[in-house]
Amino acid sequence: DAKTTQPPSMDCAEGRAANLPCNHSTISGNEYVYWYRQIHSQGPQYIIHGLKNNETNEMASLIITEDRKSSTLILPHATLRDTAVYYCIVRVAGRGAGGTSYGKLTFGQGTILTVHP
Amino acid sequence: DAGITQSPRYKITETGRQVTLMCHQTWSHSYMFWYRQDLGHGLRLIYYSAAADITDKGEVPDGYVVSRSKTENFPLTLESATRSQTSVYFCASTLGGWNTEAFFGQGTRLTVV
Repeated sequence: DAKTTQPPSMDCAEGRAANLPCNHSTISGNEYVYWYRQIHSQGPQYIIHGLKNNETNEMASLIITEDRKSSTLILPHATLRDTAVYYCIVRVAGRGAGGTSYGKLTFGQGTILTVHP
Repeated sequence: DAGITQSPRYKITETGRQVTLMCHQTWSHSYMFWYRQDLGHGLRLIYYSAAADITDKGEVPDGYVVSRSKTENFPLTLESATRSQTSVYFCASTLGGWNTEAFFGQGTRLTVV
């Protein structure tokens, strides 16, 4: 399984861009990079995912390096409500008892992002 | 209501008791997962299911039992609860494969005394 490495914590000023890095140097060619976040005590929330190309949606942008060994999640205009734990995950394909492939999500420790006024 | 719901939200039980945590999703998602979250350990996968009647172990399955007789339900049973199973439990579902997002329930906070 590809492992991910993230800084344990980061700070960001409200209104500024938050850039959260993630290293996944052992990623395989068919593994996706996913980002989730968890706001205090709530269930994790999907943010974005990508394979090779950069991706953007209404929440964030995902920049994946050409060698796919690292990525950066960008929150373009961070707000106080973006304070959360952000998880970078490499989606692992595996097989269950029935022989069906699935996409197991394995969470690491994540990055605690604190947005300051 | 559409979505994924867990019940109960809070549960206190005694050591040795059997307790079942419920998870229900309305999307007909094929895949469902159970995680537990403890301070210092993050989210750890307990069991998962690729479809009705297909289940498999995750990282920390000992002491837990699951079943999936219907696509929409994925109950997690602690056969004989221990204090070490005090945790917050999250259920998740995803349509399939590894190119789809997962949706999480709001969690069940279980305390074993």
